[in-house]
Amino acid sequence: GAVVSQHPSWVICKSGTSVKIECRSLDFQATTMFWYRQFPKQSLMLMATSNEGSKATYEQGVEKDKFLINHASLTLSTLTVTSAHPEDSSFYICSAPGLARSYEQYFGPGTRLTVT
Amino acid sequence: KQEVTQIPAALSVPEGENLVLNCSFTDSAIYNLQWFRQDPGKGLTSLLLIQSSQREQTSGRLNASLDKSSGRSTLYIAASQPGDSATYLCAVYGNTDKLIFGTGTRLQVFP
Repeated sequence: GAVVSQHPSWVICKSGTSVKIECRSLDFQATTMFWYRQFPKQSLMLMATSNEGSKATYEQGVEKDKFLINHASLTLSTLTVTSAHPEDSSFYICSAPGLARSYEQYFGPGTRLTVT
Repeated sequence: KQEVTQIPAALSVPEGENLVLNCSFTDSAIYNLQWFRQDPGKGLTSLLLIQSSQREQTSGRLNASLDKSSGRSTLYIAASQPGDSATYLCAVYGNTDKLIFGTGTRLQVFP
């Protein structure tokens, strides 16, 4: 089956610094990837759609200058949280769609970000 | 705008019970519906995927049904076990090309 990896699995950073999270599709190509954020005891909220070769599409209320997304290749998308603040502490998960016919989404294991 | 709601929000049952988790969505124009399991602090595990043309899918003790016209899906868990304790999420994929998640049901099965 399709596998999506994320790196790092957890990260602690100081307020004001930037953190980069990688999302990779290991055995398939993904022209589109999705980034979600999940706060404790809440569901997943879509942040943005990452598009290979073009700009990301951000959901309403998500600051594109704060959450920089780069879809560098058909297997890699990165999310950079710039000038992180404690309120950015969350669980970040990426996904990539499988075969077009099924529209099934494959999820990475998530990255736990803690900003101190 | 698609909205996905799950009922109940939390459920605590003794081992061995058969369970029904509910998911409802407001826009019936979907391509598929997925059920996921999430353990605390972990990522998502896909349980079942139902295409819009299908009525149900089964995997082991799990059975998911889909009534697209009424905007509802149910996840049936037979003979529940403590290892089934987790948060269960449903998500719909539609013509917005986005996967929209439900609010989740936290399940605890005690011995």
